[in-house]
Amino acid sequence: GAVVSQHPSWVICKSGTSVKIECRSLDFQATTMFWYRQFPKQSLMLMATSNEGSKATYEQGVEKDKFLINHASLTLSTLTVTSAHPEDSSFYICSARVGTGGLGNEKLFFGSGTQLSVL
Amino acid sequence: DQQVKQNSPSLSVQEGRISILNCDYTNSMFDYFLWYKKYPAEGPTFLISISSIKDKNEDGRFTVFLNKSAKHLSLHIVPSQPGDSAVYFCAASARNTGNQFYFGTGTSLTVIP
Repeated sequence: GAVVSQHPSWVICKSGTSVKIECRSLDFQATTMFWYRQFPKQSLMLMATSNEGSKATYEQGVEKDKFLINHASLTLSTLTVTSAHPEDSSFYICSARVGTGGLGNEKLFFGSGTQLSVL
Repeated sequence: DQQVKQNSPSLSVQEGRISILNCDYTNSMFDYFLWYKKYPAEGPTFLISISSIKDKNEDGRFTVFLNKSAKHLSLHIVPSQPGDSAVYFCAASARNTGNQFYFGTGTSLTVIP
């Protein structure tokens, strides 16, 4: 299957600093990538949809200025958590959609995730 | 608003037996469903999918059943193996929502050797 690389896998930072997470599609071009957040024992919550060459679409309740998304190329999307605070500590996962969108051929391939711990 | 629900947070099954994981959804417009497997601190791994034009899809030990009238799908794993121990998520999407995927809360499967 398609490979999505996410980096870093683990980051610890002080409150107030910014953290950048990268998501790369290694063997395919991804015009659309998704960023999810997962708290312990909860579901994956979609934060935003990242579209190559245009602004990201954020889900309700997600602060655009806090979670900056850049999708500058067909193989790279980045999520920057600005001025991180302890409540931002979570597991962040990116995914890329593969397939034409018709029934039965569309899949999401996920990165390995980034565990963010804000002290 | 949880549109996709997995009501069993955990399930334990003996090795070699069948594991049945259930998923319910509320949006009748969902027409495509996926199952993912996830280990701790890793991203989910795609397992199997099914579209609404089918009621069953099989891939090796994994079979997904879809009951559209009941808005219910299930994942059967036969025979279950210890390596299947993980959290399983179902996900659903609809073309009229831009193919955004909605995930259930997951079921933690433990296969006992």
